[in-house]
Amino acid sequence: KAGVTQTPRYLIKTRGQQVTLSCSPISGHRSVSWYQQTPGQGLQFLFEYFSETQRNKGNFPGRFSGRQFSNSRSEMNVSTLELGDSALYLCASSFSGPSYNEQFFGPGTRLTVL
Amino acid sequence: AQKVTQAQTEISVVEKEDVTLDCVYETRDTTYYLFWYKQPPSGELVFLIRRNSFDEQNEISGRYSWNFQKSTSSFNFTITASQVVDSAVYFCALSEAGANSKLTFGKGITLSVRP
Repeated sequence: KAGVTQTPRYLIKTRGQQVTLSCSPISGHRSVSWYQQTPGQGLQFLFEYFSETQRNKGNFPGRFSGRQFSNSRSEMNVSTLELGDSALYLCASSFSGPSYNEQFFGPGTRLTVL
Repeated sequence: AQKVTQAQTEISVVEKEDVTLDCVYETRDTTYYLFWYKQPPSGELVFLIRRNSFDEQNEISGRYSWNFQKSTSSFNFTITASQVVDSAVYFCALSEAGANSKLTFGKGITLSVRP
């Protein structure tokens, strides 16, 4: 069974630009969560999608948004990039959600904002 | 609000030593879930264990064991006879129950196992 895949793996952008990251969950998983990992703040929850609906959202500004498609693939978008958005963005999938089943993580997308 | 504290930031041991990684959590929920993840240098978080708040039985899986104590709000992880391949960052996480759940992570513990 293929694991969670994320594309691209690395990305370099400049301030003010926008970026879209993609996540393909494990087949059959309907819940996709996104996390941001930085050395200073650690792992922080961004949002979770289930059956194309956002069920939960973390404390991030509106520049961070996401969506989920009917095949459970998910994208997250960051607009008007800031230097502080440089981070490893991790996607995780599970059958029904973090509290119901274990979450499996992808390798992450490392975003560098110059 | 939920909180996970991993007071140890870095631990260094010599191969074959036993090592315990501490995790203390805070939650007002009566039903919750606790997790441990391993993040090797490659960056991908690897799921190790999920435990619900009603199951206080300790668990052993090979060289790994977990001690869950609700009375002290702790969920500690012990690696027996550590190996170099155990070198990684280990995260403890907490999730509330229900559909709108998310993982709240601790800051992580960097474990270095020297040959």
